[in-house]
Amino acid sequence: KAGVTQTPRYLIKTRGQQVTLSCSPISGHRSVSWYQQTPGQGLQFLFEYFSETQRNKGNFPGRFSGRQFSNSRSEMNVSTLELGDSALYLCASSPKWDSFEEQFFGPGTRLTVL
Amino acid sequence: AQSVTQLDSQVPVFEEAPVELRCNYSSSVSVYLFWYVQYPNQGLQLLLKYLSGSTLVKGINGFEAEFNKSQTSFHLRKPSVHISDTAEYFCAVSDRGNQGGKLIFGQGTELSVKP
Repeated sequence: KAGVTQTPRYLIKTRGQQVTLSCSPISGHRSVSWYQQTPGQGLQFLFEYFSETQRNKGNFPGRFSGRQFSNSRSEMNVSTLELGDSALYLCASSPKWDSFEEQFFGPGTRLTVL
Repeated sequence: AQSVTQLDSQVPVFEEAPVELRCNYSSSVSVYLFWYVQYPNQGLQLLLKYLSGSTLVKGINGFEAEFNKSQTSFHLRKPSVHISDTAEYFCAVSDRGNQGGKLIFGQGTELSVKP
């Protein structure tokens, strides 16, 4: 079974731009969670999607948004980029909602904001 | 809300020596506990998890961890490390709220294995 895939793997943007990151979960998995990893704040939960609905959200500003498609693929969007948004963005998939005991992580997208 | 403290940010150790990476969590209510490993430029890989049952949990790559409810700890151990174990290790705890759950991660411990 193929693992979680994230595209692109690396991205460079400038302040004020917006960016869209993509995550394809493991086949059959219906839940996708997103995490931000930075040296200062560590790993922080962004949001979780299940059956095309956001089920849970972390403490991030409204510039961070996401969606999930009927095939369970998910995208996250960051608008009006700030330097502090530079991070590794990880997505994780699991078979069902709130099932982090069976959560599998992708390789991440490294976003650099200049 | 849950929190996780990894007591050592960096742990240097020589090859074939034993190692212990320490993790404490905040809550005494029932939780799920995890250890993940992250190699450079990669995502997180699950090493082991405690959901219930035996307090000694065995994982991949020869790692094991012991759940201690009274001390709210979940320390990771390996009796003999290899150069290839050099990576960052994250302890995580489940946090369930009214709107669903998420993982709360510690700040990470960088394990450096030297020849």
